[in-house]
Amino acid sequence: DVKVTQSSRYLVKRTGEKVFLECVQDMDHENMFWYRQDPGLGLRLIYFSYDVKMKEKGDIPEGYSVSREKKERFSLILESASTNQTSMYLCASRTPGLAGGPTDTQYFGPGTRLTVL
Amino acid sequence: DQQVKQNSPSLSVQEGRISILNCDYTNSMFDYFLWYKKYPAEGPTFLISISSIKDKNEDGRFTVFLNKSAKHLSLHIVPSQPGDSAVYFCAASAKNFGNEKLTFGTGTRLTIIP
Repeated sequence: DVKVTQSSRYLVKRTGEKVFLECVQDMDHENMFWYRQDPGLGLRLIYFSYDVKMKEKGDIPEGYSVSREKKERFSLILESASTNQTSMYLCASRTPGLAGGPTDTQYFGPGTRLTVL
Repeated sequence: DQQVKQNSPSLSVQEGRISILNCDYTNSMFDYFLWYKKYPAEGPTFLISISSIKDKNEDGRFTVFLNKSAKHLSLHIVPSQPGDSAVYFCAASAKNFGNEKLTFGTGTRLTIIP
């Protein structure tokens, strides 16, 4: 079974703090992703990584950065947290494969609910 | 610009009946579609998928239908069970982007009434 773990389930931070969200997967997946989930907006992609030390901006990268130094770990960084970054953050991983195959599935972690005061 | 839309934020269905969840998309480059299910305080889990070369895919109680001309897909659950109560997200990807990136809809909260 694929396992994606996130360092915290709940996190409360103050405006202006630097925040690190950690994600680890144990299936040697090349691709990793960070999303945020907000009511009425669904899941929106923040950043993703094809492989170690590679990163690509998603749909809403502003205010975030990422780090992928090891294949199994993908970190999301909020450089200076703001109240509009209060959200549920979800990490996912995937092995690239032929389109239409089961390897296209992304596997998600349990999420981190971040509150910025 | 919402490329994947789920116009019903919520749906209630009697236990044993059929649940039909709908999803529309606008990007004709999408060629692979997935449904995810999410319980509160958990990450989404993959449910079923369909390639654009097919119009139907079935897995047990779950069937996904794809109408490419209408840019519409639907998820049928029959019979519906209480454990199906969750938020359902449809998602789409495109081969020319390597299929890495999924675009998600806004979700439909399904409630099964015992």
